[in-house]
Amino acid sequence: GQGVEQPDNLMSVEGTFARVNCTYSTSGFNGLSWYQQREGHAPVFLSYVVLDGLKDSGHFSTFLSRSNGYSYLLLTELQIKDSASYLCAVSRPNYNVLYFGSGTKLTVEP
Amino acid sequence: NTKITQSPRYLILGRANKSLECEQHLGHNAMYWYKQSAEKPPELMFLYNLKQLIRNETVPSRFIPECPDSSKLLLHISAVDPEDSAVYFCASSLRDSTNERLFFGHGTKLSVL
Repeated sequence: GQGVEQPDNLMSVEGTFARVNCTYSTSGFNGLSWYQQREGHAPVFLSYVVLDGLKDSGHFSTFLSRSNGYSYLLLTELQIKDSASYLCAVSRPNYNVLYFGSGTKLTVEP
Repeated sequence: NTKITQSPRYLILGRANKSLECEQHLGHNAMYWYKQSAEKPPELMFLYNLKQLIRNETVPSRFIPECPDSSKLLLHISAVDPEDSAVYFCASSLRDSTNERLFFGHGTKLSVL
């Protein structure tokens, strides 16, 4: 939706990693953000990227390829509490408004 | 997060008028109303940037925003429709920064009977 696409669901195992993918239409791009949203709660900011490449923030890392309209959020050393929805959001030049993807629901199993 | 507060937390309405309130204590210069329907992503309704209103033209006219000052935001709703059942999030940001980070309030869950 809104030119930002994400897979609906992702499952992984505690102690391993998970990669949440996001693709977006490249016409009009100012930057890309990732948010975590737990059930019944508001989205919480994780990361913002505007340059190509990998941005390592410890437990969360983000990758961006602007020419391909692709980003991913990498979670390492997964914990059960990482189970949540992860929203990708693209800032477009019209007033720099954020357009959210539908979110990927990550389930971390023991 | 107590730095951006919304009220009420829950709202159950028939075809009545009601206002949602939001206040931020972060010194931000932009405030937003987002609507999140079940199993959908947040969708921007209104943006106030330095008190200039930018609206999503698809939002019905029964939703009227108000920004009395840079830290407060209201959303007046008249004659609600069942399709208005959703969580309404207030958010704020510092729009002259290079990091477009939104801070969200806890949301108001609106249920229309």
